[in-house]
This record gives sequence, C-alpha cells and structure tokens, in this order.
Amino acid sequence: AQTVTQSQPEMSVQEAETVTLSCTYDTSESDYYLFWYKQPPSRQMILVIRQEAYKQQNATENRFSVNFQKAAKSFSLKISDSQLGDAAMYFCASTLGNQFYFGTGTSLTVIP
Amino acid sequence: DSGVTQTPKHLITATGQRVTLRCSPRSGDLSVYWYQQSLDQGLQFLIQYYNGEERAKGNILERFSAQQFPDLHSELNLSSLELGDSALYFCASSLRDGVGYTFGSGTRLTVV
Repeated sequence: AQTVTQSQPEMSVQEAETVTLSCTYDTSESDYYLFWYKQPPSRQMILVIRQEAYKQQNATENRFSVNFQKAAKSFSLKISDSQLGDAAMYFCASTLGNQFYFGTGTSLTVIP
Repeated sequence: DSGVTQTPKHLITATGQRVTLRCSPRSGDLSVYWYQQSLDQGLQFLIQYYNGEERAKGNILERFSAQQFPDLHSELNLSSLELGDSALYFCASSLRDGVGYTFGSGTRLTVV
C-alpha cells in the first residue's frame, strides 16, 4: 500500500523558535515527488515546499526546509524563526503512482 | 489568487438533492484533481482528469461523478446528497504529474 503518515496531530512552537514536523511514507517506487502544504484557518491549501525524490539535496524555501531521507522514507519539515502567521494545519503529501496522497495533518500553534 | 477558480464558494442544499461544482484550472494546466475534506480531517482524493480523460480514481462514491470538458474546466456532480457529504471540496490543477499542484479556494457544501 502507498501511504503518507504524519504521527504528530498537534505541535506548538514559541515565536522565533524552530520546529520540525514529521512525515513518513511508504512506496515501492523510485521516482516520486513530496510536498508540504499549509492550510491556514481560511482553509486555502498553500504549497510550502516541494522535493523531487531523485534529488539528494534537501529543498529550501526561505525559513522552510526539509530533511529528506529516501532510504528511511522520511520527509520532515523544519520551520525556522517561527512567526505567528505560520500557525496552520500542515499536510505532507506525495505523488505515488497516479495518485496524490495526503497525510492526516499536523496542527501547528505558534505561541507569542 | 492561485489561478484555479472554483465556483460556487458556498452551497447549501437539502438531502436527496443534486449539485454541480465547477473548477477552472490554472492556465496551461492539463490535469484536474478533486478532493473532499470533511471537518477536521485530511484530504481524500476523489478523481483526476488529464486533458479530458479520466486518469485516476480514488475514494469516489458511485453517487458522485466528474468530467473534464474540451476547454479543460471540470465539473464534479454530487447526487442523492446525504448529510455526510457536507465537506469542503477542493479542485487542484497541474501541468503534469509531480509538479505545480495548485489548489483552488474550495467549495464548502452543506447538506441539511
């Protein structure tokens, strides 16, 4: 089965601190894409960062970076210098086969 | 504005009724994906179309159907509606698998 698992339903972080959200996936494929999406209270789905499985270098977008461990099938999101606007639900997702699978999400609270 | 347009934004209807949700993909994108997000839950993949053809099917009920038209816009038809069908329905588009998944702002369906 192809699945995406987020084991942290809720996380919190102090403003300006760093937080890491975990994601693991299961696939037998060698080529796929991994994503982190942010869903703020507005419910809009916003792409945060994208990683191509064949690239060894971890993707980075400003304060957001990933730790991609292909052998371990792990894809964690690190948010540095957390801001109040980072508070949202974060979904890990992957293209596996012809489908796009989402994890169940991690609700991030940023404490002022 | 993500470039993916979904209409209507909100829809309230009675059980047993039929509704049509519409999605216009981002310019140039050939794939359209439909997702259902129930309250406080993750996204469930329903169906994907690529350039007018059904490409992949997820957990889509038989009461639901979709199509993609020659101008690439897509419609999701929901019939014999039940209270449990109340959810946020997202459309996403991409040029091809693995790149640039862009979500619309969703249609919030309430079945009463």
